Amino acid sequence: AQTVTQSQPEMSVQEAETVTLSCTYDTSESDYYLFWYKQPPSRQMILVIRQEAYKQQNATENRFSVNFQKAAKSFSLKISDSQLGDAAMYFCAINSGYALNFGKGTSLLVTP
Amino acid sequence: DTGVSQDPRHKITKRGQNVTFRCDPISEHNRLYWYRQTLGQGPEFLTYFQNEAQLEKSRLLSDRFSAERPKGSFSTLEIQRTEQGDSAMYLCASSLVDRDFYEQYFGPGTRLTVT
Repeated sequence: AQTVTQSQPEMSVQEAETVTLSCTYDTSESDYYLFWYKQPPSRQMILVIRQEAYKQQNATENRFSVNFQKAAKSFSLKISDSQLGDAAMYFCAINSGYALNFGKGTSLLVTP
Repeated sequence: DTGVSQDPRHKITKRGQNVTFRCDPISEHNRLYWYRQTLGQGPEFLTYFQNEAQLEKSRLLSDRFSAERPKGSFSTLEIQRTEQGDSAMYLCASSLVDRDFYEQYFGPGTRLTVT
């Protein structure tokens, strides 16, 4: 079984500042992918960034980057230069076959 | 690429009624997934199809739930004799095996309210 834990139910960041969302996971698989999804209020879930477990280099997508610590089973998301449009629920997820296993999410509030 | 679409977006039904939801995946995607999301939780996997074959079902999918993907394109999820505990957002996602193997693209969801 795979599990994902997001220990921060809510986070707040000021516009233009940097915020880090935490995620830890557990899996017995050696080959898996990790994802961060963003779900804005009343809008559909979109992929923010993904990381292949076999890659040591941390993934980066524009203002979004991850800190992947495989041994610690940690996968945090850093959002730089936060914008008002970043306000949303953020879900960490793991997949090693077909189903995505999600955490409970972190609600990110961005203040002007 | 028009994205994953779901219909209806909202459904209110009375307990005991049957409901059916539809999902249209991204056209070239051969895998289609159904998830359920309750308030304050992340989505939970229900079932998935590769082409028209239903390959896996979660224990969450009770015998009141049935899903089909008859021609390997759109899919339907039917809930019979709805219960208040069925109230949730039902999400559909699709992916293409052999590319973006583990990456799933989500639709906007169908929000079900059982009264």
